[in-house]
Amino acid sequence: ETGVTQTPRHLVMGMTNKKSLKCEQHLGHNAMYWYKQSAKKPLELMFVYSLEERVENNSVPSRFSPECPNSSHLFLHLHTLQPEDSALYLCASSQDSSRNEQFFGPGTRLTVL
Amino acid sequence: SQQGEEDPQALSIQEGENATMNCSYKTSINNLQWYRQNSGRGLVHLILIRSNEREKHSGRLRVTLDTSKKSSSLLITASRAADTASYFCATGVMDSSYKLIFGSGTRLLVRP
Repeated sequence: ETGVTQTPRHLVMGMTNKKSLKCEQHLGHNAMYWYKQSAKKPLELMFVYSLEERVENNSVPSRFSPECPNSSHLFLHLHTLQPEDSALYLCASSQDSSRNEQFFGPGTRLTVL
Repeated sequence: SQQGEEDPQALSIQEGENATMNCSYKTSINNLQWYRQNSGRGLVHLILIRSNEREKHSGRLRVTLDTSKKSSSLLITASRAADTASYFCATGVMDSSYKLIFGSGTRLLVRP
């Protein structure tokens, strides 16, 4: 175990649904990340939070809305998604945001029907 | 081509053999990291090499970095079936304090 947990592990949702992905890290880290991993594409950085402040929004559509209430928790709120949003969503954390090694959660496999 | 491209895309070897994977990148970097991912799961950090380092070892792993050629290699010696996974390089770029750019990965199959 890496010390980063994600729930749910699998999610199937319709395009009109609203759902949230949750990530929790037990490592005392100050930076947290959301990545999207699609088949046959490199890992895409979506959002970065450092000390609960968003420092990166990598041109992500507004149907993805992150929330970081404290340094241990990170959410990704989903609404009106498209089938092409189906992917593995990975959360990661690092000691701080200065290029440290990142610790990844197991991911949420999202399927949008 | 993208920052952090791995080569080959797929590699199949016999248990006990060595596996070598290569990574090329385009921009100036602060460090380069290698990660491993078992099918459909999260990534696990393997090793980090800084831009002023040329070689680093960790157990059966050996990483080299050639900043003049903008390339790195990951060598896994005496491979085991449990090494079967995808391996990704990730570059820490100069213009961002936190951003890692991942390559597309090499899928390694170690046959027992």
